[in-house]
Amino acid sequence: GQNIDQPTEMTATEGAIVQINCTYQTSGFNGLFWYQQHAGEAPTFLSYNVLDGLEEKGRFSSFLSRSKGYSYLLLKELQMKDSASYLCAVSDSNYQLIWGAGTKLIIKP
Amino acid sequence: ETGVTQTPRHLVMGMTNKKSLKCEQHLGHNAMYWYKQSAKKPLELMFVYNFKEQTENNSVPSRFSPECPNSSHLFLHLHTLQPEDSALYLCASSPLSGGSSGANVLTFGAGSRLTVL
Repeated sequence: GQNIDQPTEMTATEGAIVQINCTYQTSGFNGLFWYQQHAGEAPTFLSYNVLDGLEEKGRFSSFLSRSKGYSYLLLKELQMKDSASYLCAVSDSNYQLIWGAGTKLIIKP
Repeated sequence: ETGVTQTPRHLVMGMTNKKSLKCEQHLGHNAMYWYKQSAKKPLELMFVYNFKEQTENNSVPSRFSPECPNSSHLFLHLHTLQPEDSALYLCASSPLSGGSSGANVLTFGAGSRLTVL
């Protein structure tokens, strides 16, 4: 079957760095996506990786290793507003998104 | 208005009621989606419409009935629901559906929180 695994919850300190991991097993691969969802709000698109390596976008970076079925989202210089759930999703061979259950990130002062 | 708008934001209904959720997008996208989001579970894709034609029905019970009158509007009609249907229902849109990873860059609405008593 198809499966996406990510930690349920993580806690980090304001100003620090946090890495949210995502591992996947899917039938085919057409890209890995990260979405951010603040409580009570819509998920919003953060990043997309289709080739191995690191994609940097401001304070957020996303890494992909296709051979290992592994990705991480790296958040630097954490701010209180980064408290949210982070959803990992993989586009399979049919370009269908397979979703993880999300990682709730709690930022403490 | 811009983006994807969903109404109502909150809905409480009994198991014998009939209600509808509405979604509207002002992005000029051609694909629209209904997702179910339950606590601590992955998003579940329910329906996909591409150019207002249904292209995906993910084995959803018939008590959920979608309607897409045009590329900008999407409805989810609800009747004789069960308490386990209580969840956040998210609408999303994308420029197109399938065939490329660009179809996976979704713009979501804030959702309709449904409680079935």
